Amino acid sequence: NAGVTQTPKFQVLKTGQSMTLQCAQDMNHEYMSWYRQDPGMGLRLIHYSVGAGITDQGEVPNGYNVSRSTTEDFPLRLLSAAPSQTSVYFCASSYAGAYEQYFGPGTRLTVT
Amino acid sequence: TQLLEQSPQFLSIQEGENLTVYCNSSSVFSSLQWYRQEPGEGPVLLVTVVTGGEVKKLKRLTFQFGDARKDSSLHITAAQPGDTGLYLCAGAEDGNQFYFGTGTSLTVIP
Repeated sequence: NAGVTQTPKFQVLKTGQSMTLQCAQDMNHEYMSWYRQDPGMGLRLIHYSVGAGITDQGEVPNGYNVSRSTTEDFPLRLLSAAPSQTSVYFCASSYAGAYEQYFGPGTRLTVT
Repeated sequence: TQLLEQSPQFLSIQEGENLTVYCNSSSVFSSLQWYRQEPGEGPVLLVTVVTGGEVKKLKRLTFQFGDARKDSSLHITAAQPGDTGLYLCAGAEDGNQFYFGTGTSLTVIP
């Protein structure tokens, strides 16, 4: 059972470049979310989805886009990367209304 | 933006000592979770508390939810090197948005 998988593990971008962080889960969870983790600030919610076709903004959505076409996949897109987006990104999933979230291993992104 | 403040931010103790980590907010949450995160990995859930005043024990770890559901504490008895990691609290309002604390980095020295 793979759980929550994220690719890539590491990525370096130049300012202005675009990219997509991939997230997939095989637990048939309805709820999926993206967080960024910065030193001293814990994890902050970027976007979340309560099911295929439904997404909503979290605490820090600016500069990021998401879509949810299937239950399994929830990609995060950076349209024009900025140095302020240098961070570690985590994807998580859970059953709708459940307290426990299952996290992926993270993607470390550096924007120069 | 709701913010959960954790204290202390860093903690380094000797094996066998006891410690307490605090998680405080000005907001009321319907539930509060504690996670532990190891370097290079995602957080892993330790416990969820949902009732004001609730106390849960997980082996040497004791978790308490404040009566007003705004704060929580994590107490570790006789800490071991395997307890080393980043401890995060997280509060949920409606089950869709979770707000994470700033984290407490614990190092237990053998």
